[in-house]
Amino acid sequence: EAGVAQSPRYKIIEKRQSVAFWCNPISGHATLYWYQQILGQGPKLLIQFQNNGVVDDSQLPKDRFSAERLKGVDSTLKIQPAKLEDSAVYLCASSLDLSADTQYFGPGTRLTVL
Amino acid sequence: KQEVTQIPAALSVPEGENLVLNCSFTDSAIYNLQWFRQDPGKGLTSLLLIQSSQREQTSGRLNASLDKSSGRSTLYIAASQPGDSATYLCAVKNSGGSNYKLTFGKGTLLTVNP
Repeated sequence: EAGVAQSPRYKIIEKRQSVAFWCNPISGHATLYWYQQILGQGPKLLIQFQNNGVVDDSQLPKDRFSAERLKGVDSTLKIQPAKLEDSAVYLCASSLDLSADTQYFGPGTRLTVL
Repeated sequence: KQEVTQIPAALSVPEGENLVLNCSFTDSAIYNLQWFRQDPGKGLTSLLLIQSSQREQTSGRLNASLDKSSGRSTLYIAASQPGDSATYLCAVKNSGGSNYKLTFGKGTLLTVNP
């Protein structure tokens, strides 16, 4: 079974630029998560989708971050404009549904904002 | 708001030692607790999951215990090997209505020296 795919793996941008990350979850997984992991911290949930609907985006900085999962499969996370403090690893995860015990994580995208 | 603390932040041991990683959480009304492993540049891999009704789970050289009433969990690694070197993350799942959220600790960076 293919795992969660993410691209790009690495991205370096200057502050105030925009950037987008892509995630393809495991086939058949209804729930998709985006996490932000700052160096030395645990992952923090940014947004959670159930199919193409948002379940929780309470920790998403909505003035600069946006995410979508239009067809209920792939998802994109965008930052515009980026700030220095957005430097982090952005992890995508998926699970069968909201109550599933296990989330499967992708390798992450490491973002550096200069 | 759930808070998860992991002690120690870093641990360095010689190969062959048995070791214990600690995790504590503030809200004991959890659905389950999970231990993850994170290797540099890679996503998270689930090691052990303990349901709220369980006391411990074992997988090979790993044993995780849960004391929900005191808000504590430990991960015991027997006969450590250099390949065990990684960051170990503890995460608890709380039920927020129909939304089950994972809250992570900051992790313990383990180095096993040959």
